[in-house]
Amino acid sequence: EAQVTQNPRYLITVTGKKLTVTCSQNMNHEYMSWYRQDPGLGLRQIYYSMNVEVTDKGDVPEGYKVSRKEKRNFPLILESPSPNQTSLYFCASSFIAPRATDTQYFGPGTRLTVL
Amino acid sequence: DQQVKQNSPSLSVQEGRISILNCDYTNSMFDYFLWYKKYPAEGPTFLISISSIKDKNEDGRFTVFLNKSAKHLSLHIVPSQPGDSAVYFCAATRNSGGSNYKLTFGKGTLLTVNP
Repeated sequence: EAQVTQNPRYLITVTGKKLTVTCSQNMNHEYMSWYRQDPGLGLRQIYYSMNVEVTDKGDVPEGYKVSRKEKRNFPLILESPSPNQTSLYFCASSFIAPRATDTQYFGPGTRLTVL
Repeated sequence: DQQVKQNSPSLSVQEGRISILNCDYTNSMFDYFLWYKKYPAEGPTFLISISSIKDKNEDGRFTVFLNKSAKHLSLHIVPSQPGDSAVYFCAATRNSGGSNYKLTFGKGTLLTVNP
């Protein structure tokens, strides 16, 4: 089954404790992206990757890091989480052609709470 | 500055009637538009898209209209069904110039279809 998986689905942590949210896709997609969803703000792009070892900032990259060492995985790293990073996070992937943002497949989401 | 605006946070319609969800954008460089549907506790799923070279795209019960001069698009659902109840996100991207990797979302509209 074609899918995007995220782990963990739910996480409660404390300020400053480094964490990683994993994202994996089994569709051989070149493009992967991270979004956060906040009430009243909709979905905002954090980082994206066009292919292995190619990453770039989205609209709200501050406080986040990503890596793309393998095509299928795109982990989101919070080196020192803060309460304003409490949010619902979505990973997404798609083929580059005809356009990277075409019909992105989204993961189920990770609900992160930073105390 | 919000580049994609969905000014109606919610919409309620009767089953069998038409649902019209609206979206406005301010960035004239956007040339490709998408609608996503999101159920609670799930990731968004792609619904329909339209290129700026068209003014209408239809897929079954879903039709998207684009008015470039007004920088306005709308999603029509006919007939509406209770299963259509979800949050609908409008999104836009710039497909030309190799910039088709950033997707800008609106805040979403909660559609409720009453039986």
